[in-house]
Amino acid sequence: DQQVKQNSPSLSVQEGRISILNCDYTNSMFDYFLWYKKYPAEGPTFLISISSIKDKNEDGRFTVFLNKSAKHLSLHIVPSQPGDSAVYFCAASALGGNEKLTFGTGTRLTIIP
Amino acid sequence: EAGVVQSPRYKIIEKKQPVAFWCNPISGHNTLYWYRQNLGQGPELLIRYENEEAVDDSQLPKDRFSAERLKGVDSTLKIQPAELGDSAVYLCASSLVHGGARGNEQFFGPGTRLTVL
Repeated sequence: DQQVKQNSPSLSVQEGRISILNCDYTNSMFDYFLWYKKYPAEGPTFLISISSIKDKNEDGRFTVFLNKSAKHLSLHIVPSQPGDSAVYFCAASALGGNEKLTFGTGTRLTIIP
Repeated sequence: EAGVVQSPRYKIIEKKQPVAFWCNPISGHNTLYWYRQNLGQGPELLIRYENEEAVDDSQLPKDRFSAERLKGVDSTLKIQPAELGDSAVYLCASSLVHGGARGNEQFFGPGTRLTVL
């Protein structure tokens, strides 16, 4: 039972354009969502997060949008840069769930120079 | 500041052999996590420690997996005996306090890639 789903295994975007990565979840108890970025042979690194009481959180070139009714969140990267090429994981946690993070399967983003 | 340190980075063993992974979390981080990441999947939590206490080991296959965190700092994850299906990347992470998801982000190590032949 995949509670966090990233349906696009890969995405290619031209440098300078917007990258949009999508994530869907099924567990209504999830109330905190995070995006992690992973380079080859490295561990995931935290990128940005959002609480369920918000619908948008912005940090520089990165913005996360949350649509609770649709159980959907997205990560926008503007403008996309070559260094953004990596695998992006969406993760979620539930209050009272011992802060366990449930990860999606990841989306490989490739920025084309 | 040093990040989460894991060793070894790579390990190849025959099935039925034992194997152990070591993790040194970021100094001062009370919470330590072990995750397993299968190919093409996201990390899945195996066990979480608060100091030296295992507070969530519900996903740890206890028939062959064991873990310890003596003195609430370093941690070791062991598999005995290893099976073919244990081939994966084993990630260690740490955070300042419990609630790694609530603004206290989890910092991940580089992982140990285990191959069981």
